[in-house]
Amino acid sequence: EIVLTQSPATLSLSPGERATLSCRSNQTFINNVAWYQQRPGQSPRLLIYDTSKRATGIPARFSGSGSGTDFTLTVSSLEPEDFAIYYCQERNTWPRGTFGQGTKVEIK
Amino acid sequence: EVQLLESGGGLVQPGGSLRLSCAPSGFTFSAYAMNWVRQAPGKGLEWVSAIGSHYGPTHYADSVKGRFTISRDNSKNTLYLQMNSLRAEDTATYYCAKDTSGWPSDWGPGTLVTVSS
Repeated sequence: EIVLTQSPATLSLSPGERATLSCRSNQTFINNVAWYQQRPGQSPRLLIYDTSKRATGIPARFSGSGSGTDFTLTVSSLEPEDFAIYYCQERNTWPRGTFGQGTKVEIK
Repeated sequence: EVQLLESGGGLVQPGGSLRLSCAPSGFTFSAYAMNWVRQAPGKGLEWVSAIGSHYGPTHYADSVKGRFTISRDNSKNTLYLQMNSLRAEDTATYYCAKDTSGWPSDWGPGTLVTVSS
């Protein structure tokens, strides 16, 4: 069973700062991951798929990288609307997909 | 604009049944695989089930296999999730999500299912 561990659990930053979120797998190899943003009271929104491709309409300040077992979501300069919970997901065996437990990005 | 609207949630007793529906718009429903993903109150996301574009194949998480059935009616533009033998741990908001490029790309607002006596 694939387990995705996201770190940190909570990230306290100020608007304009850079956010770096980590997603690590317990398996030896993950093909790709996706990243989702969930604002309070809203449904998740796809930000990044296939590790580094931005979904339609997603601002360029969001970027994804990584390979193997370690993946990263970077927000280059936080906007007020970016304070939310972020989840990574793998889909090595489509359509089954494990989500990470989430990283909350909060205002410092 | 892609829109998805879930319905059918509510309060049900343990062991009971419920059928969720999802009404899509803004895209050719019959051309896309679809998913159900759930989120327990205050918790993270859990993929539940998926169905291919042409009524199959179907896939289930181990936690719901044998109890839940996903189906679709492309002529009615509707996705379904039949949930039987419900347990307290099935309490969650259930989202339907369109699958694009292998990932749940568009999500509905969700429908809340509460399993409690």
